[in-house]
Amino acid sequence: EAGVAQSPRYKIIEKRQSVAFWCNPISGHATLYWYQQILGQGPKLLIQFQNNGVVDDSQLPKDRFSAERLKGVDSTLKIQPAKLEDSAVYLCASSRPRDTVEREQFFGPGTRLTVL
Amino acid sequence: AQSVTQLDSHVSVSEGTPVLLRCNYSSSYSPSLFWYVQHPNKGLQLLLKYTSAATLVKGINGFEAEFKKSETSFHLTKPSAHMSDAAEYFCVVSVNNNDMRFGAGTRLTVKP
Repeated sequence: EAGVAQSPRYKIIEKRQSVAFWCNPISGHATLYWYQQILGQGPKLLIQFQNNGVVDDSQLPKDRFSAERLKGVDSTLKIQPAKLEDSAVYLCASSRPRDTVEREQFFGPGTRLTVL
Repeated sequence: AQSVTQLDSHVSVSEGTPVLLRCNYSSSYSPSLFWYVQHPNKGLQLLLKYTSAATLVKGINGFEAEFKKSETSFHLTKPSAHMSDAAEYFCVVSVNNNDMRFGAGTRLTVKP
């Protein structure tokens, strides 16, 4: 089966600019996650969707970050305006629905964001 | 709340020698525990997982981990390192496979 797709793979912007990342999960995976991985650290969950509804966004900096999954499939994560500390790899993952026993998360290759 | 501590930020071994990557966890509930590997410029890949069945878990590429509740540990081992094992390894704890908390990672270097 095809894996989780993300684009772009790399992005360089200046601070105060806006940026958007796209994720296409594995077909049939109802749950989608966005993680932020700062250099030298483990991934940190930003937001979790179940279909097109938000399950957990407690660690999402809502003053500048937003995410949507309008049709319950693809998702976009936006940052506006970007700050220097947003430089990180943004990972998307997907898994089967919350009521499924086997809910391994499958990760995409990530988008490396550099904010200058 | 659950969390994991990876005791070594960097481990270096020679090819053909054993690998030990250490992980301690904290959880108020019966946890699920995972080890993921991340090769440069590639996505995270699941190595193995513990979900309250057998305490000794075997994963891919010859890796295994043992869940020790008394020590709150879930160390990752491999009898003989290969050059291709060089990567970043993450220990992860979760409750009900929902809230996954990653450790800071251990970078494994394999010397020829």
